[in-house]
Amino acid sequence: GAVVSQHPSRVICKSGTSVKIECRSLDFQATTMFWYRQFPKQSLMLMATSNEGSKATYEQGVEKDKFLINHASLTLSTLTVTSAHPEDSSFYICSARDVGGDDPYYGYTFGSGTRLTVV
Amino acid sequence: AQKVTQAQTEISVVEKEDVTLDCVYETRDTTYYLFWYKQPPSGELVFLIRRNSFDEQNEISGRYSWNFQKSTSSFNFTITASQVVDSAVYFCALFYNQGGKLIFGQGTELSVKP
Repeated sequence: GAVVSQHPSRVICKSGTSVKIECRSLDFQATTMFWYRQFPKQSLMLMATSNEGSKATYEQGVEKDKFLINHASLTLSTLTVTSAHPEDSSFYICSARDVGGDDPYYGYTFGSGTRLTVV
Repeated sequence: AQKVTQAQTEISVVEKEDVTLDCVYETRDTTYYLFWYKQPPSGELVFLIRRNSFDEQNEISGRYSWNFQKSTSSFNFTITASQVVDSAVYFCALFYNQGGKLIFGQGTELSVKP
């Protein structure tokens, strides 16, 4: 089945530094990937939709200069948290959409998530 | 507006009890998909089921069953004879064609005690 690899699984960084999170589709091509953020005991909130070869579409209230998304190939999307601060500490999960068939849903596969702690 | 509501924030049961997790959704789309995911403490999302809006058949998979009722916009999930390993957060989610997005309910934290 479709597999999405997300790396790193955990990262601790100092306030003011930038952190890059990678999301790779291992056995399928993903023209669209999604980035979610989850605070403790809360739901997954969609941050942005990443489209291969074009700019990401951010949800309302998400700072695009803060959360840089790059989707340079059909198998890789990256999320960079720039100038991270403690309030950016969260669980980030990516999801890739497998294009194919007549099914409009296409199939979402989730990565295993990245737990970011900013100290 | 598209919305998923899981009114039960936390549920605690004793092993072997049956438990039902509620999910109510809102959408104007006529074509949509509903999902349930399990999120264990490790954090990854485990896909459990997908149901499209044209298929109201209930489904059973082992100890899991799902009841989809369009008339009440509900997609409830029942675990029969719960086990400790069922302890996790469960999310109901809605995918609607027009938005092309998957939106999640608030999640229900299920605790199954031995």
